[in-house]
Amino acid sequence: ETGVTQTPRHLVMGMTNKKSLKCEQHLGHNAMYWYKQSAKKPLELMFVYNFKEQTENNSVPSRFSPECPNSSHLFLHLHTLQPEDSALYLCASSSDRQGEGGYTFGSGTRLTVV
Amino acid sequence: SQQGEEDPQALSIQEGENATMNCSYKTSINNLQWYRQNSGRGLVHLILIRSNEREKHSGRLRVTLDTSKKSSSLLITASRAADTASYFCASYSGAGSYQLTFGKGTKLSVIP
Repeated sequence: ETGVTQTPRHLVMGMTNKKSLKCEQHLGHNAMYWYKQSAKKPLELMFVYNFKEQTENNSVPSRFSPECPNSSHLFLHLHTLQPEDSALYLCASSSDRQGEGGYTFGSGTRLTVV
Repeated sequence: SQQGEEDPQALSIQEGENATMNCSYKTSINNLQWYRQNSGRGLVHLILIRSNEREKHSGRLRVTLDTSKKSSSLLITASRAADTASYFCASYSGAGSYQLTFGKGTKLSVIP
């Protein structure tokens, strides 16, 4: 375990479903991130939260909705997804926005949209 | 936009040999980081090199940085089968932007 826990590990959902991904860290980090990893593509940064405030949204479709209730928890709410949204969703945290000490990643949620 | 670009895309070596992976980037950086990912898992931070450093070591890892060429290399010495994984370089995409941007990675296979 890295200190960043993601649940569930695997998720299969229909295009009309609503589901949520959860990320939790107790490393005392202040910044948290959602990344999407698709086959044969670089990791894509989706959202950045710093001290619970969203600081980056990289033109992510509104069917992805992040929530950060506190510095330890990060959610990604999913609704009316498309099959091309199937990917590995990775959560990461760092001590600060600059990430000088590196990012700590969770093991990811493997999402399949059917 | 993609900041880091690793080369080669795939590398296959025998156990005990050294593995060298290269990374090029486009804009100025504060630091460059290398990560490792085992199949279907999260990324693990390996080493960070700052823009004013030229070389850094950590165990069997050696990282170099050439800011004039906007390139970095990761050397793994005396490779082991357990080193089989994908390796990614990542850097900040530009001044004032606190995004860590990754390349597509190099897939390393170490054959026992």
